Amino acid sequence: GESVGLHLPTLSVQEGDNSIINCAYSNSASDYFIWYKQESGKGPQFIIDIRSNMDKRQGQRVTVLLNKTVKHLSLQIAATQPGDSAVYFCAEIPVGSSNYKLTFGKGTLLTVNP
Amino acid sequence: GAVVSQHPSWVICKSGTSVKIECRSLDFQATTMFWYRQFPKQSLMLMATSNEGSKATYEQGVEKDKFLINHASLTLSTLTVTSAHPEDSSFYICSARDSGGRLETQYFGPGTRLLVL
Repeated sequence: GESVGLHLPTLSVQEGDNSIINCAYSNSASDYFIWYKQESGKGPQFIIDIRSNMDKRQGQRVTVLLNKTVKHLSLQIAATQPGDSAVYFCAEIPVGSSNYKLTFGKGTLLTVNP
Repeated sequence: GAVVSQHPSWVICKSGTSVKIECRSLDFQATTMFWYRQFPKQSLMLMATSNEGSKATYEQGVEKDKFLINHASLTLSTLTVTSAHPEDSSFYICSARDSGGRLETQYFGPGTRLLVL
């Protein structure tokens, strides 16, 4: 079946650098995408979302880019801090999804080195 | 606002026993809640959708008689793992949708770590 996946399972960056986490999705009918941050032993925490009619959205220190042509989603974190160390998941809601169910990608472990 | 709690946060039980996990929306009403399971170093997998006042909808491959879901009120859903076995050991996470909010938005609980000996 169709799924949401990630290019890189781990990413290690230096504190202060910018981080880019990528996600490839296969369901071209997906309408809504979300990035979550999950710290060890905790539930997912919403970071930022984007609808399919947009190609970029910015938040505080984070930017999500959506390229529908190649079905690619990315999360950019500016000036990465040690507190950003976590697993990051992209998730999607396909158009017509019953109950607006989320499909999660595999996740990327981000490690920020001081 | 939009806080979801789970109880217990962790539980250890013997094989063959049943374990109940509670999911509560603390400051909003949730007609719909979701139950996920997450194994170490893996993603969240949706187990079932819990609907207040009606039967839960289970994902393919999830045994409804083993994972009993009850959503008896607008702020509480429970997941009971019946006759638990070591392979049921996992991190169980619930989420809740605000009945008065956006359909796409789910608020996640902190998770419940289950270890079956």
